[in-house]
Amino acid sequence: ETGVTQSPTHLIKTRGQQVTLRCSSQSGHNTVSWYQQALGQGPQFIFQYYREEENGRGNFPPRFSGLQFPNYSSELNVNALELDDSALYLCASSLALTGSLDGYTFGSGTRLTVV
Amino acid sequence: AQTVTQSQPEMSVQEAETVTLSCTYDTSESDYYLFWYKQPPSRQMILVIRQEAYKQQNATENRFSVNFQKAAKSFSLKISDSQLGDAAMYFCAYRSSNTGTASKLTFGTGTRLQVTL
Repeated sequence: ETGVTQSPTHLIKTRGQQVTLRCSSQSGHNTVSWYQQALGQGPQFIFQYYREEENGRGNFPPRFSGLQFPNYSSELNVNALELDDSALYLCASSLALTGSLDGYTFGSGTRLTVV
Repeated sequence: AQTVTQSQPEMSVQEAETVTLSCTYDTSESDYYLFWYKQPPSRQMILVIRQEAYKQQNATENRFSVNFQKAAKSFSLKISDSQLGDAAMYFCAYRSSNTGTASKLTFGTGTRLQVTL
């Protein structure tokens, strides 16, 4: 079975620009969660998608938005980039809405640098 | 809101020795799940061990074991017979068992483990 694939692995954008990050879920998983991990910090929950609808959101502004597609892959979009958006963005897929106890599979992340 | 605290930014252990990483958490819930994740330089979060709060027995996975103290809200990770490959960032994480909420993980700030020869 395939794992979670994220693209691109690294990205440099200018303040004010928009960015789209992509995530392919593990085969059979229908839920995708996105996390932001700033340097030296633990990951922070951004939002979760289940069956193409947002289900739960962390403390992030509306310029962070997402999509989940019928094949359960997902995108994270960030508008009007700020310097503080520089971070590692992690995608995690799981099988069901509540997630099985060990069902989270993480990707290797996208390192976003905003200059 | 739940919080997870890891008070040890860095730890060091000699190969073949034992090390314990600390984690405390705060919650008003009675049922939840706790996890330890490992994040090597490859950046991918890898599940090390998990514990259901309703289970009194401490979880064990090969060289990894936990000391779960529910009343004290403490969840430490013990690594026995440390290996060079254990060197990584270790994150403690909490997840509510409430099926009405998103199954998000709340992470601590991590402990960087170094393994020396």
